[in-house]
Amino acid sequence: QVQLVQSGAEVKKPGASVKVSCKASGYTLSNYYMHWVRQAPGQGLEWMGMINPSGGATDYAQKFQDRVTMIRDTSTSTVYMELSSLRSEDTAVYFCARGFDRNSPFDYWGQGTQVTVSS
Amino acid sequence: QSALTQPASVSGSPGQSITISCTGTSSDVGGYNYVSWYQQHPGKAPKLMIYDVTNRPSGVSNRFSGSKSGNTASLTISGLQTEDEADYYCSSYTTSSTYWVFGGGTKLTVL
Repeated sequence: QVQLVQSGAEVKKPGASVKVSCKASGYTLSNYYMHWVRQAPGQGLEWMGMINPSGGATDYAQKFQDRVTMIRDTSTSTVYMELSSLRSEDTAVYFCARGFDRNSPFDYWGQGTQVTVSS
Repeated sequence: QSALTQPASVSGSPGQSITISCTGTSSDVGGYNYVSWYQQHPGKAPKLMIYDVTNRPSGVSNRFSGSKSGNTASLTISGLQTEDEADYYCSSYTTSSTYWVFGGGTKLTVL
């Protein structure tokens, strides 16, 4: 069965970077896009960007363009999201989610990774 | 401020029907049939309930249905059950550089 398993919670200081992983199983990673969506405490969902694991092409939301990097490792079926220059407003749960194509719905989600930014 | 507008909360009694609206623009909801709805219980990941405006994934109850008129999409839940109590988010593909946008979410309370 399809599973997306994310790495564990992180605590970072302002200005630092965080790298979250999302390991896919039950399907071929390169056949589906992977999206990253975050949710600040008590807030709604916010789309950050997507990666086409087939070739590694990425598209990022303009808001995160300068701070986010998404990469994939097809040998381990893992996608990574790195967010730099962290600030307190980046405290959130970060989800990876699968989509068949760039405009396809997100049919499977990871369990979420809590990232806390605090001095 | 979210790109798509949803009511903050709706409520209904078991067995009743409710509808949640999701208003966008011609650049997102009105321009594409790529509207999805997600259900999220507290502390859990979102779950896809409706995609491409009207389609239900395998395993989702037929009590959930979707529709769209102009720039507004809607999710209807009929025969409300206590387990339907959750947050619901709409989402749409968009022509903007954001590619995907979400609504602010609607908290459904089953009284």
